[in-house]
Amino acid sequence: AQSVTQLGSHVSVSEGALVLLRCNYSSSVPPYLFWYVQYPNQGLQLLLKYTTGATLVKGINGFEAEFKKSETSFHLTKPSAHMSDAAEYFCAVSHTGTASKLTFGTGTRLQVTL
Amino acid sequence: NAGVMQNPRHLVRRRGQEARLRCSPMKGHSHVYWYRQLPEEGLKFMVYLQKENIIDESGMPKERFSAEFPKEGPSILRIQQVVRGDSAAYFCASSPEGRNQPQHFGDGTRLSIL
Repeated sequence: AQSVTQLGSHVSVSEGALVLLRCNYSSSVPPYLFWYVQYPNQGLQLLLKYTTGATLVKGINGFEAEFKKSETSFHLTKPSAHMSDAAEYFCAVSHTGTASKLTFGTGTRLQVTL
Repeated sequence: NAGVMQNPRHLVRRRGQEARLRCSPMKGHSHVYWYRQLPEEGLKFMVYLQKENIIDESGMPKERFSAEFPKEGPSILRIQQVVRGDSAAYFCASSPEGRNQPQHFGDGTRLSIL
């Protein structure tokens, strides 16, 4: 069975500050890992994904995440927050192999203040 | 290239009525997934379908819920005899054939039960 834990349901940062959103996973097989962003009343937009290969993954809007197998983590970072980054962020895991369902964390709401 | 299209965006039903939610996947995508999002929670997997086949329905409630993805036309999530607890946002995602393919999400249908 797979599970995802996102520490901190709400995170607030100042504009220009570092963004760090935490994600830990549990999986009995090598995982595929994803970060999605959700703006109000919209669907989820893929930020980045890790499947195999390089453990530091770069995504859209300046976000990146690092897969650390020893820590079972896939934390999302951005060096400098922008007001437009305010949204809900979801970490998700799926089985390796062919297409399969995603297991989501409960989400982290990011607030960006002036 | 149009994204995943869901309709209606908002649906209001009275207790005991039926709700039908539609999802047209992205062009060229043959895999469809349905997820449910309750207020202040992450997305929970419901069902995974390919054309004319249900691949994984481990997240579907045993009663009142059904899903199909016919050879022609959109995927349909059907909820019979709706109850207040069915109020949620229902999201559809699609992906193409093959490994490592991320899921692309629609904007969801927000179902309200009176």
